[in-house]
Amino acid sequence: KQEVTQIPAALSVPEGENLVLNCSFTDSAIYNLQWFRQDPGKGLTSLLLIQSSQREQTSGRLNASLDKSSGRSTLYIAASQPGDSATYLCAVRHSRAGGATNKLIFGTGTLLAVQP
Amino acid sequence: DGGITQSPKYLFRKEGQNVTLSCEQNLNHDAMYWYRQDPGQGLRLIYYSQIVNDFQKGDIAEGYSVSREKKESFPLTVTSAQKNPTAFYLCASTKHGSNYGYTFGSGTRLTVV
Repeated sequence: KQEVTQIPAALSVPEGENLVLNCSFTDSAIYNLQWFRQDPGKGLTSLLLIQSSQREQTSGRLNASLDKSSGRSTLYIAASQPGDSATYLCAVRHSRAGGATNKLIFGTGTLLAVQP
Repeated sequence: DGGITQSPKYLFRKEGQNVTLSCEQNLNHDAMYWYRQDPGQGLRLIYYSQIVNDFQKGDIAEGYSVSREKKESFPLTVTSAQKNPTAFYLCASTKHGSNYGYTFGSGTRLTVV
């Protein structure tokens, strides 16, 4: 059974600091991995999508890496800002669950607070 | 702009009532999903549908029902059989094929009163 873990559960940093959020998964049979951001009481906003054949994806100050063989992904946020404060979720699209569209399995998230 | 629209944003249910949450997408996505989010438990899959007129149970389907009569719409009914319905409900969609990511709606918060 695919399990996704995110460490740390919560993180507080001063503004301007670079930071790394971690995501690990137990089964390397994935199609892709997606990082989301969730603000309190809101839906999920997709940040980055990494295909299983890719090593990393970048968007602005965000960089996500994927090491499928070791079951790990990291989300790097450069020069953090108070507006980055949110919960960050990673999710894997599991390829053993009867086809590509069937299962998106989530971690429990990292709550990030960037202090001004 | 294309996206997923969930309504209402807030919903209150009395004991014994059925309520229906709406989810509409104009992304021409094939598959649609309903997730439930509770504090400290992450997102759990309730139901999903890969094509019109077909849907499958997820991990926590008891007390819920869905329909998929149109490609754009995937409403979720929370029945009186669901004993603990207070939660945040999220609808999502994606295209068939392994290269696509998921798009989520803004959610509906359901509270039992």
